[in-house]
Amino acid sequence: NAGVTQTPKFRILKIGQSMTLQCAQDMNHNYMYWYRQDPGMGLKLIYYSVGAGITDKGEVPNGYNVSRSTTEDFPLRLELAAPSQTSVYFCASRKDRFYNEQFFGPGTRLTVL
Amino acid sequence: GNSVTQMEGPVTLSEEAFLTINCTYTATGYPSLFWYVQYPGEGLQLLLKATKADDKGSNKGFEATYRKETTSFHLEKGSVQVSDSAVYFCALSDPDSGGSNYKLTFGKGTLLTVNP
Repeated sequence: NAGVTQTPKFRILKIGQSMTLQCAQDMNHNYMYWYRQDPGMGLKLIYYSVGAGITDKGEVPNGYNVSRSTTEDFPLRLELAAPSQTSVYFCASRKDRFYNEQFFGPGTRLTVL
Repeated sequence: GNSVTQMEGPVTLSEEAFLTINCTYTATGYPSLFWYVQYPGEGLQLLLKATKADDKGSNKGFEATYRKETTSFHLEKGSVQVSDSAVYFCALSDPDSGGSNYKLTFGKGTLLTVNP
């Protein structure tokens, strides 16, 4: 198993540009999550999904959108990039409600200039 | 709401020193508790966990005991190595947090540097 994979690893955007961060998992996990990690601030939940076709907002959803058309994929969309979205983004997955452990991808480092 | 408070870093130790990273929590229900580790340039990896009071999680020489009376889950290791240098996150998952669907609440992380 590859686990949780994320692309790209690094990206620089200009203000106002759009992009999609890709996340995929091959563990047949139902739950998937997007976090952002800012220096000294821990991880904040952006969006999550409990299954294909079901998504919901986390703590910091503004400026982002997600979709979950398949169990495997959970892309994160930034429509109008702003400097405040400069961060490291982590995708994670979890088997289901009976298993607590979340498995994390390697992250995408995004800079908005 | 739920929250996790971790000891402020950074922490710098010499090899073979004893490590403690304090973690306390606030939760509405009966949470599961976790320590995650993030090595430089990588994602988070689960280090250990405990799902009920008095449980002890352990892995790679690290230990943490779920103390409900003090709402704590302190991470300890008897003899650290240079390879333990990383950021350590305490986290909780609270099944009673309603619509949060078992999200993880993280502490801010503690940077550990171990010198030879």
